[in-house]
Amino acid sequence: DGGITQSPKYLFRKEGQNVTLSCEQNLNHDAMYWYRQDPGQGLRLIYYSQIVNDFQKGDIAEGYSVSREKKESFPLTVTSAQKNPTAFYLCASSIDPSRARYYGYTFGSGTRLTVV
Amino acid sequence: AQSVAQPEDQVNVAEGNPLTVKCTYSVSGNPYLFWYVQYPNRGLQFLLKYITGDNLVKGSYGFEAEFNKSQTSFHLKKPSALVSDSALYFCAVRDRTADKLIFGTGTRLQVFP
Repeated sequence: DGGITQSPKYLFRKEGQNVTLSCEQNLNHDAMYWYRQDPGQGLRLIYYSQIVNDFQKGDIAEGYSVSREKKESFPLTVTSAQKNPTAFYLCASSIDPSRARYYGYTFGSGTRLTVV
Repeated sequence: AQSVAQPEDQVNVAEGNPLTVKCTYSVSGNPYLFWYVQYPNRGLQFLLKYITGDNLVKGSYGFEAEFNKSQTSFHLKKPSALVSDSALYFCAVRDRTADKLIFGTGTRLQVFP
């Protein structure tokens, strides 16, 4: 079955550590996205990528980094510069931008990151 | 600026009663609107979308939404609520200047038996 796989489901980070969240899709989608979800704040866009080897900052990119070396993969690194990283992180994908207006996103199941 | 608003943080309804979850939008031109549902510790699942055509859109799990251009609204509805409908619901509009969806803050639906 096609879909998006996020791993791990739960992740614990010590202060000052970088951690990387994995997102893999086998839907042959061109665009991929990372969102952060906090209670009462909805979804906030961190980074997005429309094609391989290209990505754009979203609304809250500070303290995060991404790469898009393969169409299927869009890993997110939460760096030590992110002061409040505890949140639920969601990865999503969508079909190519020229047709994207007619389609929504497909979401992964999320990674819950906690700073300990 | 393009935006979407969900004015209610929580909606409570008794099982079997009709439910409405409100959404209003602000975009230039014709909007592309979406509803998603999220169960605890899960990703978002697509419910329905409005692109063009009939103002009443039918979606998954018996949900429907009514597009009202004059009121710039896209309210989610269901004639008879189930306890299993209890979840977090997000309205979204496609940003016409960039390839991304803009999400509302979410409305928690609680259906009581």
